[in-house]
Amino acid sequence: AQKVTQAQTEISVVEKEDVTLDCVYETRDTTYYLFWYKQPPSGELVFLIRRNSFDEQNEISGRYSWNFQKSTSSFNFTITASQVVDSAVYFCALGGPNDYKLSFGAGTTVTVRA
Amino acid sequence: EPEVTQTPSHQVTQMGQEVILRCVPISNHLYFYWYRQILGQKVEFLVSFYNNEISEKSEIFDDQFSVERPDGSNFTLKIRSTKLEDSAMYFCASSTNNGELFFGEGSRLTVL
Repeated sequence: AQKVTQAQTEISVVEKEDVTLDCVYETRDTTYYLFWYKQPPSGELVFLIRRNSFDEQNEISGRYSWNFQKSTSSFNFTITASQVVDSAVYFCALGGPNDYKLSFGAGTTVTVRA
Repeated sequence: EPEVTQTPSHQVTQMGQEVILRCVPISNHLYFYWYRQILGQKVEFLVSFYNNEISEKSEIFDDQFSVERPDGSNFTLKIRSTKLEDSAMYFCASSTNNGELFFGEGSRLTVL
């Protein structure tokens, strides 16, 4: 069975602070995919990143960066120099090798205060 | 940029009524999905659809639910007889075979 744990329920920071969101996953698959989605207050799910299990390179996209550590089954997400517009719920998700049924974590609510 | 579109954005219905939620996936995508999110909870997989048939469904997706791709563009989710606990945000998603799911903006269903 696949499981995603986002231990942080809520994080509140002041603008320009960095914030790191933790994601730990469990799977028996050797090939799998990890995702991060952003859900702003308007409710839609915005795709941020997809990473396959064979690619452990960290990735940076603007103020966003991701740290994939297969040894600890973690796929953490950092927002650098946070802005008020980053306020949202962030979901980590896990997909299997042959289907794209995603298992979502419970989400972390990030509030960035001006 | 191509996107997944969903209608209606919000529907209010009486318990026991049938509801159809509509989705237009991204045009070159082959895989289609419905997910739901009960208010304040995690997003849950309902069903995946490929090559005009269901490829996988969750235990949530019981006989009250059905999906259909009636033409080349629409992908619908029907709830035959709604219950209070069906109140949720329903997300449609689509992907190519690279597994990168793109979600629509969601349809909020309120069952009274």
